[in-house]
Amino acid sequence: DSGVTQTPKHLITATGQRVTLRCSPRSGDLSVYWYQQSLDQGLQFLIQYYNGEERAKGNILERFSAQQFPDLHSELNLSSLELGDSALYFCASSVEPGLGSPLHFGNGTRLTVT
Amino acid sequence: DAKTTQPPSMDCAEGRAANLPCNHSTISGNEYVYWYRQIHSQGPQYIIHGLKNNETNEMASLIITEDRKSSTLILPHATLRDTAVYYCIVRVEGNQFYFGTGTSLTVIP
Repeated sequence: DSGVTQTPKHLITATGQRVTLRCSPRSGDLSVYWYQQSLDQGLQFLIQYYNGEERAKGNILERFSAQQFPDLHSELNLSSLELGDSALYFCASSVEPGLGSPLHFGNGTRLTVT
Repeated sequence: DAKTTQPPSMDCAEGRAANLPCNHSTISGNEYVYWYRQIHSQGPQYIIHGLKNNETNEMASLIITEDRKSSTLILPHATLRDTAVYYCIVRVEGNQFYFGTGTSLTVIP
């Protein structure tokens, strides 16, 4: 158990809808990261937050947004969903964003868009 | 972006040591080498990381060559539960852990 909690585990929704994925980092971790893993692709970095502030952006679509709250949990909002958004979404956390600080991943939310 | 090269797949007999190689010839002085594994569709699991020296923990050993251009992850006594995709990642400044395609390790009974 990595200590990172993601909810829900599974989510099925229709095209055009909006969903929110939630992540609770490990106790003491200040940095949160979001990744997307589609069926035929590897893990794609989406966005990172550190202590409530956006720190880095990766391949995140404009239809997607995220935030980190004062209690350090994070939410990833996906809107105007398309079939291609079906994927596993992973959250990870680390103590701080330094090069020597490992990421610890949750077990993901599986999103199915029908 | 991954900056690492790994063989796409490897087999290992159960109970034997699994040695997974990784090339990172362009690594810079302050960049760490990380190893993760992903079993089926679970979240990637952190295994070990290092900068210059060899490292060992309860899961594995990491051997980094003196010039730091390559490394080897060693699972000392592979079990069937070690079957997974193993990712070698070099973390650079501003690089948010870009995962490549990894090595698919199959442990054979």
